[in-house]
Amino acid sequence: DAGVIQSPRHEVTEMGQEVTLRCKPISGHDYLFWYRQTMMRGLELLIYFNNNVPIDDSGMPEDRFSAKMPNASFSTLKIQPSEPRDSAVYFCASSQDTRGTEAFFGQGTRLTVV
Amino acid sequence: KQEVTQIPAALSVPEGENLVLNCSFTDSAIYNLQWFRQDPGKGLTSLLLIQSSQREQTSGRLNASLDKSSGRSTLYIAASQPGDSATYLCAVRNTGFQKLVFGTGTRLLVSP
Repeated sequence: DAGVIQSPRHEVTEMGQEVTLRCKPISGHDYLFWYRQTMMRGLELLIYFNNNVPIDDSGMPEDRFSAKMPNASFSTLKIQPSEPRDSAVYFCASSQDTRGTEAFFGQGTRLTVV
Repeated sequence: KQEVTQIPAALSVPEGENLVLNCSFTDSAIYNLQWFRQDPGKGLTSLLLIQSSQREQTSGRLNASLDKSSGRSTLYIAASQPGDSATYLCAVRNTGFQKLVFGTGTRLLVSP
């Protein structure tokens, strides 16, 4: 398996624009996580899905953020409208639906909102 | 609320030294703990996973220990090499939850 795949790797956008980040989890993994990493706050969980269903979205900062998982092999994180303070690295991770398994991370999307 | 702390925040050592990175957590009701490595501008690479029932895990020159009752884990790196230079993150998964709570990381620099 190629691991967790995220796209794009880098995104630069202007304030107010819509941004969509994409993630393909490892095949067979039932959990998918979206994390955000900043210098100030480190790694924070935004939302996670189990079998394509959102389980915990308490980390989503505002209504401007939304995430979907239409099928087992694809998820999106959308920011609309984007703001400079959204600039961060966004990571997607996946794990199997068995207790005690590792979480595997993608390479991340570095988002810069100017 | 689970809080994870890593000390030191940064560490610089000469090549060949053995070193220990520390991770502490406030809620001992964890299911497991995972150590990751992050290279600059890269994603997270899983190094070791320790279940709550285990005391330690080893992979090559790496050894991770877990003392759940005291809320501590250590990552021991033997015979450090310049290629070990990276940020090391620990993360815990609380019992009954799937999400990982991360520490702030230790930035390691191993000089030749």
